[in-house]
Amino acid sequence: EAGVTQFPSHSVIEKGQTVTLRCDPISGHDNLYWYRRVMGKEIKFLLHFVKESKQDESGMPNNRFLAERTGGTYSTLKVQPAELEDSGVYFCASSPLTSGANTGELFFGEGSRLTVL
Amino acid sequence: GDSVTQMEGPVTLSEEAFLTINCTYTATGYPSLFWYVQYPGEGLQLLLKATKADDKGSNKGFEATYRKETTSFHLEKGSVQVSDSAVYFCALNSGYALNFGKGTSLLVTP
Repeated sequence: EAGVTQFPSHSVIEKGQTVTLRCDPISGHDNLYWYRRVMGKEIKFLLHFVKESKQDESGMPNNRFLAERTGGTYSTLKVQPAELEDSGVYFCASSPLTSGANTGELFFGEGSRLTVL
Repeated sequence: GDSVTQMEGPVTLSEEAFLTINCTYTATGYPSLFWYVQYPGEGLQLLLKATKADDKGSNKGFEATYRKETTSFHLEKGSVQVSDSAVYFCALNSGYALNFGKGTSLLVTP
């Protein structure tokens, strides 16, 4: 069974450009989460989808970030325009509806490293 | 808000040494506590968990006990192996999210 896959693994862009990160969750997982780790800091929650609906987007830093999950399958996270402080590793995680943050049983991808110059 | 604080790394140990990685938490309620591990080139994976006070989580020789009186969840292993080299994250659940610590990098040398 394929795990959570994220693309690209590393993206280097200039300030002001746009980047779109993609996450393919494990098949059948209705919960999908985005997290971000800025260098030297904690892994921070960004948002949570249940199927195609945003359950909680309280961690999204500002309106330059847009997350979508069309059809309740894969998800994209777009940063537009990117700023220097957006650099970090963006993690995607998924879980079945029966688990999630309450059980801690999230399945994480390897992350997409974003470098904004 | 709810948060965890874990010891800064990196931690370097010789094979078969004893490992402790400290983690303390702040929470308004009674969260579940977790340790996640990220091996090189892989995603984070749940290592162990404890859902209430005095519970002990264990897996792969690692243990951690949920201590409400000291608000701690320290990770321990009696004899580390080179294959344990990884980054370890302490976490708690808060609403729909997991709140993680900064991570502690562990390097075990032969």
